[in-house]
Amino acid sequence: AQTVTQSQPEMSVQEAETVTLSCTYDTSESDYYLFWYKQPPSRQMILVIRQEAYKQQNATENRFSVNFQKAAKSFSLKISDSQLGDAAMYFCAYRSVNYGGSQGNLIFGKGTKLSVKP
Amino acid sequence: KAGVTQTPRYLIKTRGQQVTLSCSPISGHRSVSWYQQTPGQGLQFLFEYFSETQRNKGNFPGRFSGRQFSNSRSEMNVSTLELGDSALYLCASSLGGPITSYEQYFGPGTRLTVT
Repeated sequence: AQTVTQSQPEMSVQEAETVTLSCTYDTSESDYYLFWYKQPPSRQMILVIRQEAYKQQNATENRFSVNFQKAAKSFSLKISDSQLGDAAMYFCAYRSVNYGGSQGNLIFGKGTKLSVKP
Repeated sequence: KAGVTQTPRYLIKTRGQQVTLSCSPISGHRSVSWYQQTPGQGLQFLFEYFSETQRNKGNFPGRFSGRQFSNSRSEMNVSTLELGDSALYLCASSLGGPITSYEQYFGPGTRLTVT
């Protein structure tokens, strides 16, 4: 069974600085998807970024980028120029690739609570 | 385009009762998944529906059930509520179909409190 581990329960960053959130996962599959979701205090889960395992290039979305190390099964999220609105719980998630069948459920890590100091 | 909506947003029930939660996916989305979020267990997958059929199920007791209607709206039901069922229940929708590259978009959740 696949597992996702986020080893940092809490992180703090100064506004305008850069922070990296860690995520490792365990799987025997060669093809899969990885995601970072953000859950602000309002509780609406928002997709931040996704990475397909078959792509070597790291995904980027504006100030958010990932460092995907497939061999090491590592998938960290870097937030540049941190803003007060970035304060939230961040969840790393894994999903298998299934063809013609189930979408495959998301397997989540426990989350990292990010605080942004003004 | 409207996002995923869930009703009700808050619910208080008594142990032993049953409860029904509703989820309306994004227009055009045919897959609906349900997740339970608790401080202790984190986010756990309950089940997924596509075209009115349950395609995937998590490791939850039979007290947890769901269904999907022809308009893709989904409901989940929990019977004989226990204190441990207190949680935030999240619904997520995606386009669905044979290609599983589609992201899941989450609703705001229903906060269920069992007393």
